[in-house]
Amino acid sequence: SQQGEEDPQALSIQEGENATMNCSYKTSINNLQWYRQNSGRGLVHLILIRSNEREKHSGRLRVTLDTSKKSSSLLITASRAADTASYFCATDAAGSGNTGKLIFGQGTTLQVKP
Amino acid sequence: DVKVTQSSRYLVKRTGEKVFLECVQDMDHENMFWYRQDPGLGLRLIYFSYDVKMKEKGDIPEGYSVSREKKERFSLILESASTNQTSMYLCASSLKSGRQYFGPGTRLTVT
Repeated sequence: SQQGEEDPQALSIQEGENATMNCSYKTSINNLQWYRQNSGRGLVHLILIRSNEREKHSGRLRVTLDTSKKSSSLLITASRAADTASYFCATDAAGSGNTGKLIFGQGTTLQVKP
Repeated sequence: DVKVTQSSRYLVKRTGEKVFLECVQDMDHENMFWYRQDPGLGLRLIYFSYDVKMKEKGDIPEGYSVSREKKERFSLILESASTNQTSMYLCASSLKSGRQYFGPGTRLTVT
């Protein structure tokens, strides 16, 4: 079952610009997480936002969560070529207990041109 | 530093072979997960385990089985590999809930 839908599927920007990626989901959640994946590698956790939070920052990353719209956005400010990667949102659905089970979106591929 | 390791980065097997993918974590995590990742399909959960010897099916368990005899080790087994199981396989672990820590992935090719 696919919970998260990400938009856009692909994004190409110049170094220094901001990149915004969006994620929509279907069911109530405990938290929503964002991960990054460099080509051919495992995923790396970026940030977790709980269902009672609306905004969270980590360095150049800003995540917002709107539970009424069941959507989240990830903003990367002042992008760098090293930010080139795929970005995935993942939801921890309410009622999943302590299994830690996440449902991943299909991802946004970001290319940052030097 | 936390670590999840997978037994192979690249693996080539023949149709019908039995394939074992091993995953080891050193963080004393209760939960462990196996995903496969295919272009355009994102990550799909195959199986997960929330305790030793406990396992639950994910979204696509057909053709796979798992084993968790020790807390730190979670094995994915392809009983009889088929070409449609050619994919990137990712293992992850987590505490009861929260962020998952991923291994580097195993790219399996079945010919």
